[in-house]
Amino acid sequence: GAVVSQHPSWVICKSGTSVKIECRSLDFQATTMFWYRQFPKQSLMLMATSNEGSKATYEQGVEKDKFLINHASLTLSTLTVTSAHPEDSSFYICSARDQGRREGGEQFFGPGTRLTVL
Amino acid sequence: DAKTTQPPSMDCAEGRAANLPCNHSTISGNEYVYWYRQIHSQGPQYIIHGLKNNETNEMASLIITEDRKSSTLILPHATLRDTAVYYCIVHKIQGAQKLVFGQGTRLTINP
Repeated sequence: GAVVSQHPSWVICKSGTSVKIECRSLDFQATTMFWYRQFPKQSLMLMATSNEGSKATYEQGVEKDKFLINHASLTLSTLTVTSAHPEDSSFYICSARDQGRREGGEQFFGPGTRLTVL
Repeated sequence: DAKTTQPPSMDCAEGRAANLPCNHSTISGNEYVYWYRQIHSQGPQYIIHGLKNNETNEMASLIITEDRKSSTLILPHATLRDTAVYYCIVHKIQGAQKLVFGQGTRLTINP
């Protein structure tokens, strides 16, 4: 299947700092990417839809000014957690849909980024 | 997108077939059934999807009932590496394309 990478795989930061997470589709182009957050022992929660060349669409309850999303190219989306606090500690996962595949398409997920805010 | 119902957990012996059920009684005609799995501390992995016909690939088989209100994912010869949380998602291919995850089934393969 297609490959989606994330960088970094884990990060530890101090409270109040900002952290940028990159999501790349390595062998296909994706006009749309998605960002999820997962707390321990819980399911994935969709945070936002990242659209290439336009503003992201955020799910209800997700602060767009805190979680900045940029989708500057067909293979890269970034999520910046601004002024991070301990409650932002979570597993952040991105996905991208390979629109060139068969009808219905599959979404491919990155390996995730574990953020720990001290 | 229609809601799905899955058992919270299942066990299966290594080497046996693992059959994971999913109910999606409110599925509409243009919604596909997708299966993903998530091994601990990793991103979800796509397994298979289908509309109304049964599907098979190198990982699994997907059996969809004729009325499309339920489906079963079959792992024909389960191994210890198949231990994961399995998510059944019903999803339109048009529109927002976002996947909404439920709680899934935690499948444990026992030696």
